[in-house]
Amino acid sequence: KQEVTQIPAALSVPEGENLVLNCSFTDSAIYNLQWFRQDPGKGLTSLLLIQSSQREQTSGRLNASLDKSSGRSTLYIAASQPGDSATYLCAATPGTYKYIFGTGTRLKVLA
Amino acid sequence: DTAVSQTPKYLVTQMGNDKSIKCEQNLGHDTMYWYKQDSKKFLKIMFSYNNKELIINETVPNRFSPKSPDKAHLNLHINSLELGDSAVYFCASSSWGKGEKGTDTQYFGPGTRLTVL
Repeated sequence: KQEVTQIPAALSVPEGENLVLNCSFTDSAIYNLQWFRQDPGKGLTSLLLIQSSQREQTSGRLNASLDKSSGRSTLYIAASQPGDSATYLCAATPGTYKYIFGTGTRLKVLA
Repeated sequence: DTAVSQTPKYLVTQMGNDKSIKCEQNLGHDTMYWYKQDSKKFLKIMFSYNNKELIINETVPNRFSPKSPDKAHLNLHINSLELGDSAVYFCASSSWGKGEKGTDTQYFGPGTRLTVL
């Protein structure tokens, strides 16, 4: 059974710092891994999707990597800004039509 | 242009009542989902539908009955509501297609906050 965990659960950093969020999954047989952002009281917004055959994806200041063999993905945020404050969730796709979400990391970027 | 919409946004009701949440997507996707996010913000899949066909039912009590009248709509009906049903329910959609590996991301609705008193 696929389990997805995220470390740390919460993170507070000063503006401008580069930071790394971690996502671990127990079963390496995944189709893809996605990173989402959730603002308070809102739905989820997709940030990056990495196919199982890919190693990383980049979008602006965000870079996500995937290491299936070790069951890990990281989300790197460069030059963090207060607007990056949100909860970040990763989701692994262990089978068709199924997404298993991680426990989330609550990020606060201080001005 | 709203991609995935849900109604209502808030729902407050008494234990034992029956309620419905509606979801619509205008993205032309063939797959829709219902998720439950509990008070600890843990998001768990409940159902997946592909082309109006139920594909995934994650051991959800049969008080929960999803219905997909067409590919653009997936409604969730809940009978005999219990206190533990209080949560935020999210609808999502993606373009998966039968037999294909997932290549497209999911798009989420804004959520429906259900409170059972």
